[in-house]
Amino acid sequence: GENVEQHPSTLSVQEGDSAVIKCTYSDSASNYFPWYKQELGKGPQLIIDIRSNVGEKKDQRIAVTLNKTAKHFSLHITETQPEDSAVYFCAASILTGGGNKLTFGTGTQLKVEL
Amino acid sequence: GAVVSQHPSWVICKSGTSVKIECRSLDFQATTMFWYRQFPKQSLMLMATSNEGSKATYEQGVEKDKFLINHASLTLSTLTVTSAHPEDSSFYICSASGTSTEQYFGPGTRLTVT
Repeated sequence: GENVEQHPSTLSVQEGDSAVIKCTYSDSASNYFPWYKQELGKGPQLIIDIRSNVGEKKDQRIAVTLNKTAKHFSLHITETQPEDSAVYFCAASILTGGGNKLTFGTGTQLKVEL
Repeated sequence: GAVVSQHPSWVICKSGTSVKIECRSLDFQATTMFWYRQFPKQSLMLMATSNEGSKATYEQGVEKDKFLINHASLTLSTLTVTSAHPEDSSFYICSASGTSTEQYFGPGTRLTVT
């Protein structure tokens, strides 16, 4: 089955700096890669996703890049703010038209310091 | 966006008793619902996938007789932890998907078994 690795496990940045989180996946059939933000005691929230037919996607301060050949994808957060502090999870899935199972990475604890 | 609720948000039960957790999609029809378990500072682990009107599909290592899942309608799925033990204490999160690829996550239920 699919295996998703995520690095780093913890990341501390100064407010205003950029943060980059990287993930690799094992199953070349995976074609959907969402990123989730999870605050303490809450469920994950989708922040951005990318499909395998696209190499990069951007939404304001957040961007995701995908390298299908190398089987890795990355989350980029620019101009970080204290409210960006949370745990971020990457995931991979094979879209089959409905009920697509997600395989999650191990998570990255991001801390944005003032 | 689509909203998924869970009830209760937290529950404490005694060892040997059963507890039921509800997951509802509030503004869309969820053809597929997923149940995850998350231990402290760990990733989300998929327990089972359920489609409305069908039996749930459990992941390897998850006891189907212990974790009973019912998906009787397009807006409600329930997870019953039977004969709970302290090692079942965890954060249980459901997600739901309809016609789109996105999974919408609930806020989670904190289960503590004493």
